[in-house]
Amino acid sequence: QVQLVESGGGVVQPGKSLRLSCAASGFTFRDFGMHWVRQAPGKGLEWVAIISYDEKSKYYADSVKGRFTISRDNSKNTLYLQMNSLRPEDTAVYYCANGAGAAAATFDYWGQGTRVTVSS
Amino acid sequence: QSALTQPASVSGSPGQSITISCTGTNSDIGTYNFVSWYQQRPGKAPKLIISDVTNRPSGVSDRFSGSKSANTASLTIFGLQAEDEADYYCSSYTTSRTLIFGGGTKLTVL
Repeated sequence: QVQLVESGGGVVQPGKSLRLSCAASGFTFRDFGMHWVRQAPGKGLEWVAIISYDEKSKYYADSVKGRFTISRDNSKNTLYLQMNSLRPEDTAVYYCANGAGAAAATFDYWGQGTRVTVSS
Repeated sequence: QSALTQPASVSGSPGQSITISCTGTNSDIGTYNFVSWYQQRPGKAPKLIISDVTNRPSGVSDRFSGSKSANTASLTIFGLQAEDEADYYCSSYTTSRTLIFGGGTKLTVL
């Protein structure tokens, strides 16, 4: 069955960096675009970034553009999110999700999430 | 880009039907049929319940139905059950090749 397992979350000071990972199994990872989605405490879902199956295309939410970088290693079936210049408003649970359908616009399967807290 | 607009809350009694609206613009819902709906129970990851406006994934109850008209998509739940109580989110692809969510709707089964 499809499994997405995020890791790398934790408590970090404002201005610092963190790298999240998402290990995928149960499907052909290299065939799918992948997303990061976050959810601040008590708030709704916010889309963060998408990467195409071949890593050639990447798009970001305006709130993270220039600070976050999405990448993937298809040989390791792993998705990454490098987060730099972190701000308190980046505090959230971060989910990875695979992108199904045309334009990879459907979040077909989700991980359990990893919590990031940005605080001094 | 601003979030898609959903009502903050809806409620209904068991057996009734409810509809949750999701309003966007010509830059998202109005242009693409890439509208999805997700159910999220407390402390859990979201779960896909409707894709591409009307498609129901295998294993999702046929009590869930999606539709779209112009810039507004809708999720209807027929025959409400206690287990349907959850938060519901819509999402859409955009002309900027990004994705956008609605603010979420809390469904209460009375």
